[in-house]
Amino acid sequence: NAGVTQTPKFQVLKTGQSMTLQCAQDMNHEYMSWYRQDPGMGLRLIHYSVGAGITDQGEVPNGYNVSRSTTEDFPLRLLSAAPSQTSVYFCASRTSGTGVYEQYFGPGTRLTVT
Amino acid sequence: AQSVTQPDIHITVSEGASLELRCNYSYGATPYLFWYVQSPGQGLQLLLKYFSGDTLVQGIKGFEAEFKRSQSSFNLRKPSVHWSDAAEYFCAVGAKEYGNKLVFGAGTILRVKS
Repeated sequence: NAGVTQTPKFQVLKTGQSMTLQCAQDMNHEYMSWYRQDPGMGLRLIHYSVGAGITDQGEVPNGYNVSRSTTEDFPLRLLSAAPSQTSVYFCASRTSGTGVYEQYFGPGTRLTVT
Repeated sequence: AQSVTQPDIHITVSEGASLELRCNYSYGATPYLFWYVQSPGQGLQLLLKYFSGDTLVQGIKGFEAEFKRSQSSFNLRKPSVHWSDAAEYFCAVGAKEYGNKLVFGAGTILRVKS
């Protein structure tokens, strides 16, 4: 199993540009999520999905869109990039259910917005 | 809402010395607690987790953590640190009552002196 994969690893955008960060998992996990990591702030939840066709906002959703058309893929879209979105982005997945389960993380995408 | 505090931003220990990383959480009922490690440029790897039962949990790489309800703490320990343990460590808390979403602490960066 490849686990959770993310592309690209690095990206530089100009303010106002748009892009999509890709995330895929091959563990048949229903639950997927996007976090951003900033120095001194840990990981903060952007959006999450409990299954195909279902998404919801996390702690810091502004400026980001998501969709979940398949179980495997959970792309994160930046419609108009801003310097405040410079960060490292992690995608994670886990099995779903009524409990709290271990999340598996991808290697991250380092995004710089100039 | 639940929250997690990691009081130490940086810790430096000598190789072979013991290690304790502190984690305090804020949540009324019994939380689900995790410790993750992030090596430079990498994603997050689960070290250990506590859901219920024995309050002393063993993890990978020789780490252990103890859940102390009276102190709302879940400190991570290792009896003898190796240079390869240099990384950033994150404590996280989840709860069914909050939709099973994880909340992360700000992280503690561990430096190991040779």
